[in-house]
Amino acid sequence: QKEVEQNSGPLSVPEGAIASLNCTYSDRVSQSFFWYRQYSGKSPELIMSIYSNGDKEDGRFTAQLNKASQYVSLLIRDSQPSDSATYLCAVNGASGGSYIPTFGRGTSLIVHP
Amino acid sequence: NAGVMQNPRHLVRRRGQEARLRCSPMKGHSHVYWYRQLPEEGLKFMVYLQKENIIDESGMPKERFSAEFPKEGPSILRIQQVVRGDSAAYFCASSPSTGVDEKLFFGSGTQLSVL
Repeated sequence: QKEVEQNSGPLSVPEGAIASLNCTYSDRVSQSFFWYRQYSGKSPELIMSIYSNGDKEDGRFTAQLNKASQYVSLLIRDSQPSDSATYLCAVNGASGGSYIPTFGRGTSLIVHP
Repeated sequence: NAGVMQNPRHLVRRRGQEARLRCSPMKGHSHVYWYRQLPEEGLKFMVYLQKENIIDESGMPKERFSAEFPKEGPSILRIQQVVRGDSAAYFCASSPSTGVDEKLFFGSGTQLSVL
């Protein structure tokens, strides 16, 4: 049973601060990792993907992956109130030949002015 | 290029009725995934389909639930004899192919409420 764990939060940060969201996964052979953002009542949208150990930066977002520790994180710099949402971590790896992402429960982020 | 289209957005059913949820993938996408989301919970995988084939249905309850993706037309998730516990948001996602780095594109979801 593949598991993806996230702290449900809420994580509350002031505007302009760095928000750090964390995720751990159980399946060592997982190969790809995604962060989706979901606003309340809306559908998830992909914001970052990462496949290799280390950091990957895209604008204000940085994804970090450590396969040895089975840990992936998302940093949001200069947090804005519009970043307030639930952030879902997803992990992908072949399951019987099919690649089906497994999602965590999500971390609720609140950025207050 | 239209995104993933799901309908209806909201569906209300009484216990014992049938619910039919539709999903049209993005143009050029032949892989469809259905997920269920309960309040305060993440997305739970239900079923993965390609055109005319169910590839993986390991997350779908064995009874009352079925899914199809015909050669023509949308993918359908069908729930027979609904119960209150089926109330949830059902999201469909699509991708152009399958692979370790494949990204999913989600529809707006169908919120099913069972009275």
